[in-house]
Amino acid sequence: DTGVSQDPRHKITKRGQNVTFRCDPISEHNRLYWYRQTLGQGPEFLTYFQNEAQLEKSRLLSDRFSAERPKGSFSTLEIQRTEQGDSAMYLCASSPRDVSYEQYFGPGTRLTVT
Amino acid sequence: SQQGEEDPQALSIQEGENATMNCSYKTSINNLQWYRQNSGRGLVHLILIRSNEREKHSGRLRVTLDTSKKSSSLLITASRAADTASYFCATWETGANSKLTFGKGITLSVRP
Repeated sequence: DTGVSQDPRHKITKRGQNVTFRCDPISEHNRLYWYRQTLGQGPEFLTYFQNEAQLEKSRLLSDRFSAERPKGSFSTLEIQRTEQGDSAMYLCASSPRDVSYEQYFGPGTRLTVT
Repeated sequence: SQQGEEDPQALSIQEGENATMNCSYKTSINNLQWYRQNSGRGLVHLILIRSNEREKHSGRLRVTLDTSKKSSSLLITASRAADTASYFCATWETGANSKLTFGKGITLSVRP
């Protein structure tokens, strides 16, 4: 399968715990995006990378959130001290640089904070 | 913040009927895209229309764009039960180079 993959698909955690999600983009894509989607809403942009450089972060991305893409391939999104309001679907997408609006989405990681 | 506003929020039709969904947006755009999302899963790209295009077809899909009214519509003809999903419009703003801005989505139910 050469699409975008995300791991884990589901995560249940207790409030206050840290969680980390992984995204593997399509191999030749150098742009990688993270979105958050809450129930009944559309995805909202969190941050994006071009290769290993994080070029933009949304105001939605509080200090408890950090994202990395150390070698310009896979990316991780970490949430520290999770809160119930962090419960959502976290979507990753990748795109080729020249056609950055053509984004290919992964299946998402559903986070439930109890 | 979400730019697109889809209308209606929910739509229920009989298999074989056509489904029309509308989207309005607020800023100048480079293109507008429609995505489908099956329950609890990732987004699938359906169709893209550029700001200088007025209508585009892809299989059973027809999308229109009216930049003067800042609105778009997606028509699914001869609907099937498998079309049951949530549909989102997403805009790529003029001058922006970083993100898609999605609406809240429309839930389509196609009854067999």
